[in-house]
Amino acid sequence: DAKTTQPNSMESNEEEPVHLPCNHSTISGTDYIHWYRQLPSQGPEYVIHGLTSNVNNRMASLAIAEDRKSSTLILHRATLRDAAVYYCILRDNSGGSNYKLTFGKGTLLTVNP
Amino acid sequence: DAGITQSPRHKVTETGTPVTLRCHQTENHRYMYWYRQDPGHGLRLIHYSYGVKDTDKGEVSDGYSVSRSKTEDFLLTLESATSSQTSVYFCAISPRGGTTGELFFGEGSRLTVL
Repeated sequence: DAKTTQPNSMESNEEEPVHLPCNHSTISGTDYIHWYRQLPSQGPEYVIHGLTSNVNNRMASLAIAEDRKSSTLILHRATLRDAAVYYCILRDNSGGSNYKLTFGKGTLLTVNP
Repeated sequence: DAGITQSPRHKVTETGTPVTLRCHQTENHRYMYWYRQDPGHGLRLIHYSYGVKDTDKGEVSDGYSVSRSKTEDFLLTLESATSSQTSVYFCAISPRGGTTGELFFGEGSRLTVL
């Protein structure tokens, strides 16, 4: 299975941009890159996903390296409500198990007022 | 709101007793999942379902069984609970299934096995 590597933790200040990195050097050509976040005492929440091109939505932007071996989740203006664990995930596309997403340990983002 | 309800939300039980967790969805989505979350392990997939009576194992399926007799309900059963199954259990649905795979999660069920 293709794996992802994220920093254990990051800090940011409120109203500043945040760039959360993710390395996935063994990504296969058809793996989608997904980002989820989990606020304290809640279930994970879908943030964004992409395949090759950069993606934007109302929550965040996803920048994907040209070789697809890394990606960056960008929160344009961090708020206190963005403090969460952020998971970078590759959709498992092996052996007919197309349906499952495998989560790692994620990055704990702290946002300082 | 993805219309996912998990029950019970909290349960304390004793080793060796059977436990069933229920996941109910209101949107008739085909794909449903059970994950467990433990400190230091992130979320791990237990079982998933891609239709009524169609289920498959995830990475930590030992000691768990599932059933899906109707679209809206996905049940996770611990036939004989052990202390190692103390965890927070999350149900998830995937409206678009295996193509892009966005998951929407329930609020979790906290299980303590004494």
